Amino acid sequence: DQQVKQNSPSLSVQEGRISILNCDYTNSMFDYFLWYKKYPAEGPTFLISISSIKDKNEDGRFTVFLNKSAKHLSLHIVPSQPGDSAVYFCAASDLSAGGTSYGKLTFGQGTILTVHP
Amino acid sequence: DTAVSQTPKYLVTQMGNDKSIKCEQNLGHDTMYWYKQDSKKFLKIMFSYNNKELIINETVPNRFSPKSPDKAHLNLHINSLELGDSAVYFCASSQVGQGNSPLHFGNGTRLTVT
Repeated sequence: DQQVKQNSPSLSVQEGRISILNCDYTNSMFDYFLWYKKYPAEGPTFLISISSIKDKNEDGRFTVFLNKSAKHLSLHIVPSQPGDSAVYFCAASDLSAGGTSYGKLTFGQGTILTVHP
Repeated sequence: DTAVSQTPKYLVTQMGNDKSIKCEQNLGHDTMYWYKQDSKKFLKIMFSYNNKELIINETVPNRFSPKSPDKAHLNLHINSLELGDSAVYFCASSQVGQGNSPLHFGNGTRLTVT
């Protein structure tokens, strides 16, 4: 049973426009959420995170929004650039379970973002 | 200056063989992990070691045995390889207890069992 789902396998956006990647989760114990970016033949790279005590976190062109009641988060990239083309993974963890559970991330299956020049 | 490095990058072997994947991190982190990305692209945790001590052991067959000689290294040994073991294996590291330190991943080892 997948507890983190990214229902859009792919997204295509024009350079300069906004990219919105979505993620849904089912486990109400999740209290920390992350987005990772992955290029082919490389490992995932951390992009941005958000704690459940917040509903928004911004870092440059990247903003993550969290809607706890809907168990939904989204990543906004503005403006999108061709170099943003990659696979984006949403991940979640339950930090309240204690330090030994830290790093036990539950990942979605990823969304392939293509930004066209 | 690679942060998390794993070798080999590709590994092709036959069923029944035993193989190892090595991982090293130079970030000074105290916790290391092995994740498996299956054919459906989901990344799932297999093991976690904190200061050489096993702290997370998900439902993984006994054929998989992690070994951590020191906190900078976490190797994965797989016995009697099966077709279903074919996947990409990612090593990662983080610092636990320093706030929300994100995981740093290696570039993966693509294992193909024929």
